[in-house]
Order: sequence, then C-alpha cells, then structure tokens
Amino acid sequence: GENVEQHPSTLSVQEGDSAVIKCTYSDSASNYFPWYKQELGKRPQLIIDIRSNVGEKKDQRIAVTLNKTAKHFSLHITETQPEDSAVYSCAASINQGGKLIFGQGTELSVKP
Amino acid sequence: GAVVSQHPSRVICKSGTSVKIECRSLDFQATTMFWYRQFPKQSLMLMATSNEGSKATYEQGVEKDKFLINHASLTLSTLTVTSAHPEDSSFYICSARMGGGTDTQYFGPGTRLTVL
Repeated sequence: GENVEQHPSTLSVQEGDSAVIKCTYSDSASNYFPWYKQELGKRPQLIIDIRSNVGEKKDQRIAVTLNKTAKHFSLHITETQPEDSAVYSCAASINQGGKLIFGQGTELSVKP
Repeated sequence: GAVVSQHPSRVICKSGTSVKIECRSLDFQATTMFWYRQFPKQSLMLMATSNEGSKATYEQGVEKDKFLINHASLTLSTLTVTSAHPEDSSFYICSARMGGGTDTQYFGPGTRLTVL
C-alpha cells in the first residue's frame, strides 16, 4: 500500500523566515496531495492541495510543489508568522476520492 | 457549509468498559467517513474507512473486533472502542467526504479518550 514519509519532524524558524516541509510517497498511482494545518487540540484544516497534473500551486504565502518523477512534494511557507505555528501534515491518495495516507507530521514553531 | 461534528469531545472511562464515539456530517450527506487515531504532536493514522450501508474496511494492524464501526446513515458513523485499555487512550478524529468522487475530506473536532 501507499506509504508517505515526512521530514523534518520538528522545525523552528524565526518570524519572517521561510519554512519548507518535504514529503515522499511510494505509490506512483497517487494523484492527490493535500496539506493540513492542525493546532493543538483542534481539527486539521486543509491549507492547500495539488493534483498530479500540476507541478506547482501557490496561495498567498503558501505554495506546494510536486515532482512526480521523484515522487516527492513540498510545502513552502514564506514570511512566516507566529500564528503559523502548528503541526503540518502531508497526505496522498490514489484515485479520486480515495483514502488519505498521512505523513508523520511536522511541528512548526515560529519564534517572534 | 461542510461541517462535521463529533460526540463526545472528551471521555474518561474505566478499563474494560466500551466507549462509543459519534461522527456526524451536519449539512451534507457523507457516503464515506474515515476514522483516525492521533498521538500527541504526530499526524493522523488511518484506522478504517466507513461506507454507508456496508462493512468498514480496516487498515492493517487495526483490530476490527476491538474498534467496531457502524455507518448506519449518510450522516452518521460510530466508532465503538470495546473492552478499552489504557493503551487505547488517544485522540480519535473522524472525517467525512461527500459523494461524487470528490477528494476533500472534512474533519471532525476529535474525541479525547482516556482509559483509566
């Protein structure tokens, strides 16, 4: 089955710096890759997603890149703010509407 | 729109008892619901996929007789942790997906289970 690896497990940056989180997946049939932000004790919130027919997608300070050949995708957050501090999780799914397999999560800390 | 609720939000029970957690889609019909388990500061681990009107599909390593899932209607799925033990203590989160093959999953707020 699909396996998703996420790195790093923790990331600490200064306010204003950029943060990059990377994920790799094992099944080349995966075609949907969402990213979720989860604050302590709260539900995951979808922040951006990308499909396999696109190489990059951007939404204000957040961007995701996808390399299908290498089977990895990355989340980029620019101009980080303390309120960006949370656990970020990547996921992958095979087939439209299929189950999501999550990476291990990254605890991002943005220091003012 | 697309709101998912869970009940209870927090439960404490004695070892050996069973606990039922409800997941409801409030404003849409969810043909598929998913149940996840989450440990502190870690991501979600998929336990099972619940389809309305059929048996749930469990992920490898998840005991189906211990974690009973019922998806009786298009707006309700339940997870029952049977004969709970302290190692079952965790944060349980459900998600719901609309029909039509859409990708987006909407997550519930989670249930914190503590087994004494």
